[in-house]
Amino acid sequence: SQTIHQWPATLVQPVGSPLSLECTVEGTSNPNLYWYRQAAGRGLQLLFYSVGIGQISSEVPQNLSASRPQDRQFILSSKKLLLSDSGFYLCAWSVSPVTEAFFGQGTRLTVV
Amino acid sequence: AQSVTQLGSHVSVSEGALVLLRCNYSSSVPPYLFWYVQYPNQGLQLLLKYTSAATLVKGINGFEAEFKKSETSFHLTKPSAHMSDAAEYFCAAPRMDSSYKLIFGSGTRLLVRP
Repeated sequence: SQTIHQWPATLVQPVGSPLSLECTVEGTSNPNLYWYRQAAGRGLQLLFYSVGIGQISSEVPQNLSASRPQDRQFILSSKKLLLSDSGFYLCAWSVSPVTEAFFGQGTRLTVV
Repeated sequence: AQSVTQLGSHVSVSEGALVLLRCNYSSSVPPYLFWYVQYPNQGLQLLLKYTSAATLVKGINGFEAEFKKSETSFHLTKPSAHMSDAAEYFCAAPRMDSSYKLIFGSGTRLLVRP
């Protein structure tokens, strides 16, 4: 069966520090991969999606970047965090863009 | 533009009462519709999905949803609410273009009163 791992679960980082969140998927090949963000009390905002190694599409201009160095690994990064980067970050995967997505457990990022 | 609308950001019911969470989609009929549940500080869990095979879809935890094309709706119901149902619920549909996107509603927080 397929599983998705996302870590860390919580993270407190100072403004201006770098960020690296990692997500890996097991039990499937060539998944579509996604990074979402939830701000407090708000819905999901798609940040990045990837259909293959090295193929990243950005949905909104922001202080973050994403990379997919391996088929089942998706990394969310920032060189310098802003206070506005605080939120709940969710990694997800799907077989195709029209089928259901399966989510990781999320990372609560607080920038102080 | 295609959208998914959830009416009511908060719904409060008594334990044992009917749960009804509303979802409407716009534009063309999507091939799939989904309901997800999110507990505090956790990821989203798929509750059920509509795949055009049947208009009434049964999911986990006693939830079900009915696809009504004439009303462009996919409301989520449960006959009897449990305290453990308190969570946030999201309706979602794939965007009907070349983008790789699921469109999510803004979410409905379900509160269950003892």
